Formats: sequence, C-alpha cells, structure tokens
Amino acid sequence: EIVLTQSPGTLSLSPGERATLSCRASQSVSSNYLAWYQQKPGRAPRLLIYGTSSRATGVPDRFTGSGSGTDFTLTIGRLEPEDFAVYYCHHYGVTFGQGTNLEIK
Amino acid sequence: EAQLVESGGGLVQPGGSLRLSCTASAFTFSSSWMHWVRQAPGKGLVWVSRINTDGSSTTYADSVKGRFTVSRDNAKNTLYLRMNSLRAEDTAVYYCATLSTDDYWGQGTLVTVSS
Repeated sequence: EIVLTQSPGTLSLSPGERATLSCRASQSVSSNYLAWYQQKPGRAPRLLIYGTSSRATGVPDRFTGSGSGTDFTLTIGRLEPEDFAVYYCHHYGVTFGQGTNLEIK
Repeated sequence: EAQLVESGGGLVQPGGSLRLSCTASAFTFSSSWMHWVRQAPGKGLVWVSRINTDGSSTTYADSVKGRFTVSRDNAKNTLYLRMNSLRAEDTAVYYCATLSTDDYWGQGTLVTVSS
C-alpha cells in the first residue's frame, strides 16, 4: 500500500513569498500518476497539477510541479491572496496525502 | 458546463445502510472512470473507491472493502455507492469525481453515522 506523506503540515507565508510543498511516497510511484489538488473551505477540491508537472486548464504558471520516484514538490512562485488553501498530493486512484495547510502569516 | 450532482446522504444509525447517487451531465460519463472520495469533518481527503467505464472492474480502500459497493448505470449517467454496515468513522462528506485531467467533482453529500 502506497502512503503519501506531505510536509510541512502547516506553512505560514505572506503574499508575494514563494511556497514549497513536499510529498513523499512510501515506495516509488510513476510520475504519470502524481497529481496536486487545491481545496478551499466548503468547496470541492480543484486539480492543479497532473502527471507530476503538467498544469491543469486555467491554472496560473506560478504553480509548478516537479519530482520523481518517491519525492515530489509543488512550488508556488509568488503567493497571491487566493492561493491560501489546503493542498493535497494524490497518487491516481489510490491515495491522497494528508494535506498541507498554506496559511497567511 | 460539466456537472456532477450527488444525492442520498443523511443520518443513519450504526450498522445501517445508505445508497449514494451521483448524476453526471455535459460530459461523456460512459467514457470516464469514476471515483468516490470522502472527507470527514475537519479532516483530509480519503480515496474510497473507483470503477472503470463499463463497470466490470472496481477497487476499494481497505477501510470500506466488503462493506461498500460501487456501481454505475451509463444509460442514466449515474454512479452509485451502496454503503452497508456503516460505522461512526464513515461519517464524512462523500464526493464523486473523475480524478482525471478532465477534473470534475460533485458538491458532496454528507453522511452522518450516529445513534
């Protein structure tokens, strides 16, 4: 069973700063099957990144996904106020990470 | 605009059963693998189950295996989740979703398991 562990659990930053979110898998996973979702309170999640590094339709280019094997990263280049939310990594159809809460400092 | 609409949630006693439905519109439901994802109050996302396009293949999280059954009716553009032997820890908002590059999610339906 693949387990995805995200770090940090909470990240406190200011608008304009750069955010780096980590997702570590308990065993090597195919890059094709690693995605990142954003969720805001009371809303369904929204796909940001699929296939480790491809941005979903309409996602700004300040969102960048990278990684391979067991280590994956979501980077948000310059935080906008609307970026403060919870982020989940996901191995397709298997499991989600526990989430990183990106909060305003 | 593509849409998924869940229904069937509610309050049920421990050991009881419930069937959730998810009706799709404005996209090719019959060509889409479909998933159920749940989220307990204040907690993270948990993948629950998936079904392939014609319903011949299903997979479940260990936590629901043997108790939940996913099915679909492509003629009705509808996905189902039959939940039996419900436990308090099954309390959550249940989402249906495509979990694909065509990313569609329902609004979620709340299932509360309590006496």
